[in-house]
Amino acid sequence: DIQMTQSPSTLSASVGDRVTITCRASQSIRPWLAWYQQKPGKAPKFLIYKASSLETGVPSRFSGGGSGTEFTLTISSLQPDDFATYYCQQYNSYPWTFGQGTKVEIK
Amino acid sequence: EVQLVQSGAQVKKPGESLKISCKGSGYSFTTYWIGWVRQMPGKGLEWMGLIYPGDSATRYSPSFQGQVTISADKSISTAYLQWSSLKASDTAMYYCARTPDCTDGVCGFDYWGQGTLVTVSS
Repeated sequence: DIQMTQSPSTLSASVGDRVTITCRASQSIRPWLAWYQQKPGKAPKFLIYKASSLETGVPSRFSGGGSGTEFTLTISSLQPDDFATYYCQQYNSYPWTFGQGTKVEIK
Repeated sequence: EVQLVQSGAQVKKPGESLKISCKGSGYSFTTYWIGWVRQMPGKGLEWMGLIYPGDSATRYSPSFQGQVTISADKSISTAYLQWSSLKASDTAMYYCARTPDCTDGVCGFDYWGQGTLVTVSS
């Protein structure tokens, strides 16, 4: 299985901050990576596919990058609604696998 | 409007069987994969497997192969996740979610059900 490792596990930030979450794959997954946002008690929300393509309706302050084994999710100016846990997921090969999550909390 | 509606919370005893459901509407149910994702209390997301309702093709994570069965009834646009003998360690929230067939790399779970909480306790 391809292992996905996110860093940091927890990130403390303030409204307006630029934040970046990193996701590393144990082998190349080309650009086949998605990002999700999950709030407590809710189902995950789809943010980004193919490493950098924004899902329809997702605010443009979210952006994704990377290819191969290293990827990033950046929020250009953190908003109150963005405090949540973020997961990356590879779909290069079965079984698809998720990272362990990064919790973005209020500083 | 695309919707995935899951069956309600379940409380079961170890050793009992269970089948939970996920009904799709607002799109062509047979041309998207349905996946199942486990989230144990306070933990992250785990990919369990997929089914393509058009032909019932399945893909399982090795971690869940043999432990659960994923199926679908395309006539009623419903996918299922079932256990033949539950364990306490199956206690979790289970989500279904839809993904395109990944043509041109357009892939990922774009719509999710609300989740089904399964509690297994003696």
